[in-house]
Amino acid sequence: GEDVEQSLFLSVREGDSSVINCTYTDSSSTYLYWYKQEPGAGLQLLTYIFSNMDMKQDQRLTVLLNKKDKHLSLRIADTQTGDSAIYFCAEKTISGGYNKLIFGAGTRLAVHP
Amino acid sequence: SQTIHQWPATLVQPVGSPLSLECTVEGTSNPNLYWYRQAAGRGLQLLFYSVGIGQISSEVPQNLSASRPQDRQFILSSKKLLLSDSGFYLCAWSGQGQANYGYTFGSGTRLTVV
Repeated sequence: GEDVEQSLFLSVREGDSSVINCTYTDSSSTYLYWYKQEPGAGLQLLTYIFSNMDMKQDQRLTVLLNKKDKHLSLRIADTQTGDSAIYFCAEKTISGGYNKLIFGAGTRLAVHP
Repeated sequence: SQTIHQWPATLVQPVGSPLSLECTVEGTSNPNLYWYRQAAGRGLQLLFYSVGIGQISSEVPQNLSASRPQDRQFILSSKKLLLSDSGFYLCAWSGQGQANYGYTFGSGTRLTVV
């Protein structure tokens, strides 16, 4: 079946690194994604990783993928108050012949001074 | 450039009233379109997706329906709202064959059923 799980909350101090973890179940997923949702807003695509990659870095963001364990993580370096948001992990899956994104419940990141 | 619009941004409706939420995409043709719902404190649930005009797939049995009368228009409806229909509704699109790059979401509609 399709399932994506994330921890619900993470609190970090400003300037520290944040690591948000995610596990997924569909071993055939070819792409995995991280989205950010600020209060009252839609979702913004942060980054994505292809399943044949172990790591992807984009400025302060580092994505690590352990395909064997079906584990995905997002590391935010030098976390700022503007990073406070809900972060969603998602996997691309194929169902009924069509591509769909299955999302986790989201991790609420709180950044405190 | 491509843009996606959703309206209204907020809506308060009484139980038993009808619902119509609209989503339109500009700057692309033949997009895949999606409706998601985010209940309070919960994740995103895929409600409907459409790969073309008049083609609607439903993910979960529910009180809602979707229609795609035009290529870039996606409508979410209900004949009689329930309290449990309250939530944050998000429309999204992806290009045909470009779902690898994820979806682009609208700004959402917050629906409160009272």
